[in-house]
Amino acid sequence: KNEVEQSPQNLTAQEGEFITINCSYSVGISALHWLQQHPGGGIVSLFMLSSGKKKHGRLIATINIQEKHSSLHITASHPRDSAVYICALRRGGATNKLIFGTGTLLAVQP
Amino acid sequence: DVKVTQSSRYLVKRTGEKVFLECVQDMDHENMFWYRQDPGLGLRLIYFSYDVKMKEKGDIPEGYSVSREKKERFSLILESASTNQTSMYLCASSDQNQPQHFGDGTRLSIL
Repeated sequence: KNEVEQSPQNLTAQEGEFITINCSYSVGISALHWLQQHPGGGIVSLFMLSSGKKKHGRLIATINIQEKHSSLHITASHPRDSAVYICALRRGGATNKLIFGTGTLLAVQP
Repeated sequence: DVKVTQSSRYLVKRTGEKVFLECVQDMDHENMFWYRQDPGLGLRLIYFSYDVKMKEKGDIPEGYSVSREKKERFSLILESASTNQTSMYLCASSDQNQPQHFGDGTRLSIL
């Protein structure tokens, strides 16, 4: 069983819709990251969470440590939000290594 | 802004060649990482370095080596390239307990 699972794998939405991407994990962590990867490769860090909720613009990330679950929400989605969204776990320790989910491919249609 | 620069966006090499992928960061980060990304498998860690001349194997180090002679530069070496090393390679750097900053990636094809 993978240590981190994302759902859905693929998601198509209409512009303006509210979007939720889920991440469940099975190991203890010190932090959870949400990353965004646009076509062509570059990866950008959106959030780093260890508890509660964070908001940046139209993006909201939440984490429930007890349930080992995190969600990424996009409000008022736009075609420019189309990308792969990746959940990654930091286990702790000195090395800052991450364990990555396989990503959710989001397409927002105008 | 942190800048992580990978030397090539696209690279085509032949089986058996020795291949060097270079990565430079400009923020004096201690940690640097090399990943490969393949469809359906996500990012997998090849090697990482937490200081100059220090390195540790990641999850898939076979067929690769690394070099970190200076803090800002982390090189990935394919000693004898094989077709199963065709992939997207991503470099990242970070401070301790901070988000990783990624380069734009190198799409490597081994013919």
